[in-house]
Amino acid sequence: DTAVSQTPKYLVTQMGNDKSIKCEQNLGHDTMYWYKQDSKKFLKIMFSYNNKELIINETVPNRFSPKSPDKAHLNLHINSLELGDSAVYFCASSPWLAGSKNIQYFGAGTRLSVL
Amino acid sequence: KNQVEQSPQSLIILEGKNCTLQCNYTVSPFSNLRWYKQDTGRGPVSLTIMTFSENTKSNGRYTATLDADTKQSSLHITASQLSDSASYICVVSAINDMRFGAGTRLTVKP
Repeated sequence: DTAVSQTPKYLVTQMGNDKSIKCEQNLGHDTMYWYKQDSKKFLKIMFSYNNKELIINETVPNRFSPKSPDKAHLNLHINSLELGDSAVYFCASSPWLAGSKNIQYFGAGTRLSVL
Repeated sequence: KNQVEQSPQSLIILEGKNCTLQCNYTVSPFSNLRWYKQDTGRGPVSLTIMTFSENTKSNGRYTATLDADTKQSSLHITASQLSDSASYICVVSAINDMRFGAGTRLTVKP
């Protein structure tokens, strides 16, 4: 069974469209994250939710809106997609917020291409 | 400014050889340091995690060291295998902050 699953794996869309990426974890973790990995392979944290509450919100355009319906799910909705949004987006989960000796488990990533 | 820098950017070694990857950081106040392995097209997988009081941690052929005074860490890989070819990412955490290095791309050749 996949611990952290993201859908879709690939997403190709036109500039200006709105799209969502879904993430689910079956590990019983309290904390979930979204990361963006750009073409230079640099991972940057975007958001972190702990028990459905937003904990970390890095400098991300407000076109990106995370939604956590329950602590097992953290979805990412992106409005008015731009070329610079093209990247691989990773979802992750951990037993509790980073800062203690926890381990993050990452999904396989969603490769977003904006044309 | 909290930053994590890794070196070298890329490394090519022959199968069976050892190698050491470096990570320097300025993240403060320090909470923990992790090394991840990321295979091409996959998500990162945790290798080791160390807190302030730990200066070495092993996971099979991977050994991480931490010098909290100089704010440096290294990941040593012994007897490399072809499957070690991947990116290795250093991640340093403070309270409510987590900084990722850009990674070292390791290629192991037969």
